Amino acid sequence: QSVLTQPPSASGTPGQRVIISCSGSSSNIGSNIVNWYQQLPGTAPKLLIYRNNQRPSGVPDRFSGSKSGTSASLAISGLQSEDEADYYCAAWDDSLNGHVVFGGGTKLTVL
Amino acid sequence: EVQLVESGGGFVQPGGSLRLSCAASGFTFSSYGLSWVRQAPGKGLEWVSTISPSSVSTSYADSVRGRFTISRDNSKNTLYLQMNSLSAEDTAVYYCAKGERWPLKYSYMDVWGKGTTVTVPS
Repeated sequence: QSVLTQPPSASGTPGQRVIISCSGSSSNIGSNIVNWYQQLPGTAPKLLIYRNNQRPSGVPDRFSGSKSGTSASLAISGLQSEDEADYYCAAWDDSLNGHVVFGGGTKLTVL
Repeated sequence: EVQLVESGGGFVQPGGSLRLSCAASGFTFSSYGLSWVRQAPGKGLEWVSTISPSSVSTSYADSVRGRFTISRDNSKNTLYLQMNSLSAEDTAVYYCAKGERWPLKYSYMDVWGKGTTVTVPS
């Protein structure tokens, strides 16, 4: 059971817009930044969105992040086949001396 | 190019020990916090441990506290994870990751290695 809650799966057709949610609490998302990681099949995680809504260089502007209260979301517009991957949200949790918590991950399928 | 390369994984019997290493290059190693994150087969990411740039501060997940020890050698640009009393539940790919800045509370893991696999049979 992950501290941050994500839907286990999401899907869309090429060109569609998909939103992945991430729900937490006051000790994590509610008081700290949210980061998102993309894990393509068989590869290591890669930073996708940092500080709630910032994109590292090289990440297409089709990817966007937002945060409100104790929830965050990742939106992918103009869905492409190469977006098929697992997506994880992450945040610092202030409980128990502080530590990083991840969501359980959302497997995105491009139909 | 900023790079992290893990090594030291392998097959170990329950109750055994293993030491993972993570060799860093392309950045000023001693200025950044580093973490270990693991991923069990078919499962999600699990934070394991983090160490501050000067090794003054370390933190562990409850699942490994007392069994795993994180350390670093800034003269060798290398991060370590000493794992003792291993069980099947520790079977995973172990990734090392660099923090964008310290402390990690205000930051994120911006660079990840490719991972090293640890297998402990049940």
